[in-house]
Amino acid sequence: AQSVTQLDSQVPVFEEAPVELRCNYSSSVSVYLFWYVQYPNQGLQLLLKYLSGSTLVKGINGFEAEFNKSQTSFHLRKPSVHISDTAEYFCAVSERADTDKLIFGTGTRLQVFP
Amino acid sequence: GAVVSQHPSRVICKSGTSVKIECRSLDFQATTMFWYRQFPKQSLMLMATSNEGSKATYEQGVEKDKFLINHASLTLSTLTVTSAHPEDSSFYICSAVVGQETQYFGPGTRLLVL
Repeated sequence: AQSVTQLDSQVPVFEEAPVELRCNYSSSVSVYLFWYVQYPNQGLQLLLKYLSGSTLVKGINGFEAEFNKSQTSFHLRKPSVHISDTAEYFCAVSERADTDKLIFGTGTRLQVFP
Repeated sequence: GAVVSQHPSRVICKSGTSVKIECRSLDFQATTMFWYRQFPKQSLMLMATSNEGSKATYEQGVEKDKFLINHASLTLSTLTVTSAHPEDSSFYICSAVVGQETQYFGPGTRLLVL
């Protein structure tokens, strides 16, 4: 069975500092990987996804993530955060054989301070 | 891009009444839509997969008679919470699959049962 672990429930950071949100997954088969962002009282917005090819994936709003198969990780990074990046971030995985079903991590609250 | 809407955005109802939530794909057709619920400060939990023209597939532990799903057309899926109780209060989010890998999410519906 698949699972997703986001070790950090909260990440506080000052504006313009770099940030990394960690995500590890567990699966016995090949997977697709996703990062979503959720602003207060809103649905989820896709930040980026890894399907195949280059392990470094660039997304919207200056975010990027790197797929590391040996470490089963898909950490999200941004070199310089803004106040507007304050939100909840969810890592998710789906099996390639069953691409319809997404399994979500518990989320990481990124709070950017001025 | 792919836009998914939900209506209503929030609803308050009395215990014992039924509530219908609509999920629409605005600029594409979706043969598959998903319904999630999200409790405060928790991740999204998949409730069911809604398939156009066939019965929904429910996740383990989700009562299909309580959460009625109807996928009436390629752009509309509805979730009806029957005989709602306070413990059903939650944030309900739908999503639709675009292509083979990516889900696009609606803005969510906040249900409060008094």
